Amino acid sequence: GQQLNQSPQSMFIQEGEDVSMNCTSSSIFNTWLWYKQDPGEGPVLLIALYKAGELTSNGRLTAQFGITRKDSFLNISASIPSDVGIYFCAGQLSTGANSKLTFGKGITLSVRP
Amino acid sequence: SAVISQKPSRDICQRGTSLTIQCQVDSQVTMMFWYRQQPGQSLTLIATANQGSEATYESGFVIDKFPISRPNLTFSTLTVSNMSPEDSSIYLCSADQGAGELFFGEGSRLTVL
Repeated sequence: GQQLNQSPQSMFIQEGEDVSMNCTSSSIFNTWLWYKQDPGEGPVLLIALYKAGELTSNGRLTAQFGITRKDSFLNISASIPSDVGIYFCAGQLSTGANSKLTFGKGITLSVRP
Repeated sequence: SAVISQKPSRDICQRGTSLTIQCQVDSQVTMMFWYRQQPGQSLTLIATANQGSEATYESGFVIDKFPISRPNLTFSTLTVSNMSPEDSSIYLCSADQGAGELFFGEGSRLTVL
């Protein structure tokens, strides 16, 4: 089956630093999404990417859909304490009946004040 | 984005019993899905809840263990049947309004003793 690889499992950064997270797949996806999950909450959608090569920003977040359609990255600039959480990448083959997502294992981000 | 409410938010159950989780969306959605998130793990798709017909289950999940209903475009239920401690997990409802972006409820945290 399809698998998404996220590593490392945990990242520790200093407040104010930038951080980049990668997600790779053994197969092609047509949509990439990035979610953040806070403790005790459901995942919240951060950014959705629909086209190979697409670069999209949402405030301090920037994500790109890889040209090969097998990878994506998420950048967080000028990190703040509330960026702490688990960041999941997810791949989607299509919308509609096949809009189910395949998730990576997630990266736990810690931000030191 | 759709607002998704789940009930109960958490429960502690005895092994051998069954629990039904409800998911209510504040607007009509095309697709609804149920995910499981075991402690410290990523999200695994259980099934697609199909409106007016039987759910579509992923490999490793069966209707007898996880019966699902979806009577209309805004509501679905997931039952965890004959529970064992291995069923202790967060169960997440998600919905797609048609654009391919899945939104999640806050999850139902189930502990089986």
